[in-house]
Amino acid sequence: GQQVMQIPQYQHVQEGEDFTTYCNSSTTLSNIQWYKQRPGGHPVFLIQLVKSGEVKKQKRLTFQFGEAKKNSSLHITATQTTDVGTYFCAGIKPYNQGGKLIFGQGTELSVKP
Amino acid sequence: EPEVTQTPSHQVTQMGQEVILRCVPISNHLYFYWYRQILGQKVEFLVSFYNNEISEKSEIFDDQFSVERPDGSNFTLKIRSTKLEDSAMYFCASSARRSDLNQPQHFGDGTRLSIL
Repeated sequence: GQQVMQIPQYQHVQEGEDFTTYCNSSTTLSNIQWYKQRPGGHPVFLIQLVKSGEVKKQKRLTFQFGEAKKNSSLHITATQTTDVGTYFCAGIKPYNQGGKLIFGQGTELSVKP
Repeated sequence: EPEVTQTPSHQVTQMGQEVILRCVPISNHLYFYWYRQILGQKVEFLVSFYNNEISEKSEIFDDQFSVERPDGSNFTLKIRSTKLEDSAMYFCASSARRSDLNQPQHFGDGTRLSIL
């Protein structure tokens, strides 16, 4: 079945350092969504990318969608302790009427003050 | 901001028993989902529901599982004859439109199911 792979599994950074997580799908996606899950919490929607090559920014977060709509990345500039959590990408297949989100394994980010 | 609410927050059940997990989706949303997350692992899709019927289900969602929208507000997941490996966090989610039409899904806080 379709898979969404995400790396790295864990990332430990010093506060102020940058962070990037990468997502790769085995097949072309309709769109990709990013979620953040704090420890003990639930996934919270961050953003969705729809167009090939799309780049979106939210303050210190930059999201990219690959030209082939098969890969995506999230980059955080100058991490803060509030960025701690697990970041998941989740892909949607084209014409998927069921709305199934295919989650990557997530990247757990820890930030040392 | 409207939220998806789930009850109970934690359910402890003996193996073999039936459990019902309850969700109240956001009121004007039309698409409803159940996901599960085994501790430390990724979120896995179980089922989606629209217009009072299942739209899609995963291979995890076998005859042991069923979903229902018994009234205009609740959306339930029933697990019959629970097994140890059913222990997980179960998340309900809802969206205003289909996710392939670029709609985000809003997740509830989850129900932690522990099977003894």
